[in-house]
Amino acid sequence: TQLLEQSPQFLSIQEGENLTVYCNSSSVFSSLQWYRQEPGEGPVLLVTVVTGGEVKKLKRLTFQFGDARKDSSLHITAAQPGDTGLYLCAGEASQGAQKLVFGQGTRLTINP
Amino acid sequence: GAVVSQHPSWVICKSGTSVKIECRSLDFQATTMFWYRQFPKQSLMLMATSNEGSKATYEQGVEKDKFLINHASLTLSTLTVTSAHPEDSSFYICSADIRYGYTFGSGTRLTVV
Repeated sequence: TQLLEQSPQFLSIQEGENLTVYCNSSSVFSSLQWYRQEPGEGPVLLVTVVTGGEVKKLKRLTFQFGDARKDSSLHITAAQPGDTGLYLCAGEASQGAQKLVFGQGTRLTINP
Repeated sequence: GAVVSQHPSWVICKSGTSVKIECRSLDFQATTMFWYRQFPKQSLMLMATSNEGSKATYEQGVEKDKFLINHASLTLSTLTVTSAHPEDSSFYICSADIRYGYTFGSGTRLTVV
């Protein structure tokens, strides 16, 4: 069974600080996706990374896929209260498998 | 963008009754849809994969007779929780593959009393 270990599970920081969320596995994934989920709603896709070493930026969010495609990170620069939410990483085991494995999630709180 | 519409958003039912949750792909066809369950403060757990025109594939530990899945058309998948019990209370979410990722429904909060 492929597992994704996401850390930290909870993070509370002040507005303006930087933070990094990690997603690690011993398994290789064909792609890794990051989602953000608000309470009472379904996850919303932020980004998909597919190539080892790939880096994608979405405004203040930087996503990186590890060279071996076993891990990923999400870095937020100058966090804002609007960034508060549950962040989920999810890996797709192999191309065409259409089966996502989710990390435990990181509940992020940005305090004004 | 690709949207999956999920209904109802929330439902309260009595123990022993059945509840049907619908997921519709609004502007695309979904050969495959995925059903997840999410308990409070936990991540999403895949329950089953529904395939249009064929039987659903259930994950280990998920009772197929309790969670009936029907995917009769390319735009509609349904999950029926049969003989619901309080321990079935959870947040149920469907999703579909949109090539560059997955799009999720807004979820259904099921409370069994």
